[in-house]
Formats: sequence, C-alpha cells, structure tokens
Amino acid sequence: AQSVTQLGSHVSVSEGALVLLRCNYSSSVPPYLFWYVQYPNQGLQLLLKYTTGATLVKGINGFEAEFKKSETSFHLTKPSAHMSDAAEYFCAVSSASGGSYIPTFGRGTSLIVHP
Amino acid sequence: DGGITQSPKYLFRKEGQNVTLSCEQNLNHDAMYWYRQDPGQGLRLIYYSQIVNDFQKGDIAEGYSVSREKKESFPLTVTSAQKNPTAFYLCASSIVIGSTEAFFGQGTRLTVV
Repeated sequence: AQSVTQLGSHVSVSEGALVLLRCNYSSSVPPYLFWYVQYPNQGLQLLLKYTTGATLVKGINGFEAEFKKSETSFHLTKPSAHMSDAAEYFCAVSSASGGSYIPTFGRGTSLIVHP
Repeated sequence: DGGITQSPKYLFRKEGQNVTLSCEQNLNHDAMYWYRQDPGQGLRLIYYSQIVNDFQKGDIAEGYSVSREKKESFPLTVTSAQKNPTAFYLCASSIVIGSTEAFFGQGTRLTVV
C-alpha cells in the first residue's frame, strides 16, 4: 500500500522568507509524486510533479521539489514567500502498489504568510 | 476551454434525502474520481472509474453510489445511508489512471441539515 505523510498541518513564514513544506511517502514500487495547491473553496491545481528522470523538479509560481529516494521524501520549497502563496498544499503519491495507480493524498499543510 | 465542471457549487439537503452531485469533463480523459474533503483529513477517495460503464470503490464508498454511462460524466449520489454527508466534494479526471496528474473541478459543498 502507498501512503503520504505531510509534517505540520500549518506552516507560518514571513513574506520573503524560505518556504519548506515536508512530504514523506511510502511505496513499495517507484512512485509518481505530485504537489497541488488549493485556495479556499476551490479545487486543486497542480504545482509540479515527478515521474522519472531529473530528481529536482521545477513548478509554477517559483516552487520546486526534490525527489530523494533514500529518504522517501519529496519536500516542496520556494526561496521567497509571497502573500499570494497563502493556501493549502497537498502532496500526493501514485504507484502500482496494490494493483493500480490510484493517487493518494496527504492531509495537507496550510501555508500562512505574514507581512 | 477544456475543464471539469461540478454543479452546483453549494447544495443544501434535509437529512434522509438522496442527493446527486454533477461532474462533467470535456478533456477526453478516461479516468475520473470522486474525493471527499474534510478539515484536517485531506482528500479521501470515494469512487473511481477508468472506463465507461466500469467503476471501483475507493476507501470510503459506503453510503455513496456512482454511474459512468458516458465518458464525460461521472455523477455521485449521496444516499441517506451516508452517516455524515456534510463535506466538500471534489471531482477529478486524468488521462490515464494515476500516472498522470489529476485535473480537479471547483468542488461542491454539501450541507445536510
């Protein structure tokens, strides 16, 4: 079975500071990994994804994430937070464990950005 | 523009009534999903479908039903058997199941009183 753990239900940063949102996954086979962002009362929007190849993945709005197989991690970072980054962020894993590629989501991390 | 449309955005129902949430996509995607979102619990999979006329139960299917008669449509019925139906419901689709990203609708907030 696959699973996702997002450390910290809330992360608070100052505008201009580094953003680090943590995601660890569990999968018995090579996974596909995703980060999504959700604004209040909206659906989810893809930020970035890792499928194969380069382990450092760049996404929209200046976000990037690095796939570290040895640490089973896929942490999301952004060098400088902006007020508009305040939202809920979800990490997701999809793998063939269990027989089919069904995306499994973490519980989410709420990013709070202070002026 | 291509996308996923969920309707209505807000829905109120009395306890004991069945209610159907609509989900339509014009992305020509084969796979479609229904998730339930509750505060602090992330997204939990209710049902998914990989092809027309076929669907599978997810982690929390009890009290829900779906149909997939057309590729574009994947309606979800919340039945009176669902113990706690008040939640935010999200529909999603992807080209193929799992290995590509999912595209989400704007969600339907269901409140049962």
